[in-house]
Amino acid sequence: GAGVSQSPSNKVTEKGKDVELRCDPISGHTALYWYRQRLGQGLEFLIYFQGNSAPDKSGLPSDRFSAERTGESVSTLTIQRTQQEDSAVYLCASSLARGRSEKLFFGSGTQLSVL
Amino acid sequence: DAKTTQPPSMDCAEGRAANLPCNHSTISGNEYVYWYRQIHSQGPQYIIHGLKNNETNEMASLIITEDRKSSTLILPHATLRDTAVYYCIALTSNYQLIWGAGTKLIIKP
Repeated sequence: GAGVSQSPSNKVTEKGKDVELRCDPISGHTALYWYRQRLGQGLEFLIYFQGNSAPDKSGLPSDRFSAERTGESVSTLTIQRTQQEDSAVYLCASSLARGRSEKLFFGSGTQLSVL
Repeated sequence: DAKTTQPPSMDCAEGRAANLPCNHSTISGNEYVYWYRQIHSQGPQYIIHGLKNNETNEMASLIITEDRKSSTLILPHATLRDTAVYYCIALTSNYQLIWGAGTKLIIKP
């Protein structure tokens, strides 16, 4: 596609429910990132995928958070047993590769609200 | 890994040059400085990046001091559409971008 696509754009859920967020990266981009952005703050790194390599999960805040990516295509971020502190915008980005001159292309994010 | 420091907010008159400062006094020799901006309710947008030399593209110019302890992003002729949060970020040794709170730039007519 022309850009990074994320769905849904907005998600309202009840505390304790599971949610699944989807990211469609730019075709041909081998690197894919998930970030979380709380209101008025910068981006928090969550997880990174590079091709078929093992993902870098060092930013996941708890074991309630997980993500999958099949090859170099779609990725899903799953949050189990959602808590109110999970409310944030979840941003996905892709790039051609990870390196010193990487340029990330971001989607518009999913606004998650946990009631 | 380097940490960057930016003023929380700045104003600039429409049509004037907007100069956004960033301090990165602990940056190491091989860490790039990146600038992104985020317009309300959108994902961040890449602007420019550099290592040692000044850089210019169609969006902006990046001036990096010789000691690499600070840099300035210059938007030469600011428009109302340039109102956004601007992030100065250092790319870490394991290729992660560490994001701060950025500078909220308001362009005034």
